[in-house]
Amino acid sequence: DTAVSQTPKYLVTQMGNDKSIKCEQNLGHDTMYWYKQDSKKFLKIMFSYNNKELIINETVPNRFSPKSPDKAHLNLHINSLELGDSAVYFCASSPRGQGALNTIYFGEGSWLTVV
Amino acid sequence: AQSVAQPEDQVNVAEGNPLTVKCTYSVSGNPYLFWYVQYPNRGLQFLLKYITGDNLVKGSYGFEAEFNKSQTSFHLKKPSALVSDSALYFCAVRLTDSWGKLQFGAGTQVVVTP
Repeated sequence: DTAVSQTPKYLVTQMGNDKSIKCEQNLGHDTMYWYKQDSKKFLKIMFSYNNKELIINETVPNRFSPKSPDKAHLNLHINSLELGDSAVYFCASSPRGQGALNTIYFGEGSWLTVV
Repeated sequence: AQSVAQPEDQVNVAEGNPLTVKCTYSVSGNPYLFWYVQYPNRGLQFLLKYITGDNLVKGSYGFEAEFNKSQTSFHLKKPSALVSDSALYFCAVRLTDSWGKLQFGAGTQVVVTP
């Protein structure tokens, strides 16, 4: 009955590979996010989708491509992985409407290590 | 630009003592402020938020936070810390556009010793 679930939790891969992280929320929320936590634990938003539509796209390399097949899912695909992509990636969701008043709920994170 | 600052990288406290984690903010307009906690190798868990109303906000696990507009602060507090409160705490401001992305502080590591 996990609210925001993401897979895999741990991923170790070689430079140059392509990988995906999947995210699903069962909260009925309209808005979903991807955040990145770097090695210094700093958190920064990458993308946000509302009802499958991209609404926030921060300065992220084109190698990162989010895909939202429906409003309950937001996957993150990363091409040509680089060492600097090693981080923890958090999926999150929140209800729509009066956006700033709503709480954002996070998943457990996906620990990506590029070797 | 809207931002939050957490001036302490780490806070050390003995179990049973009061715990305070500091946060100051800089926003244009009304601040929407949040506290999250991250336990080791876990995701971010929502603790509490300030939107409007009472300056003292109560949240999960016995935590509360005091909003102070004149000092632009939103400090997290717990009257009696537990060893299990040892974690990384993040203050965040939700930006006021309708999609409201969170801008996080750098985080404060709390260490509670027995």
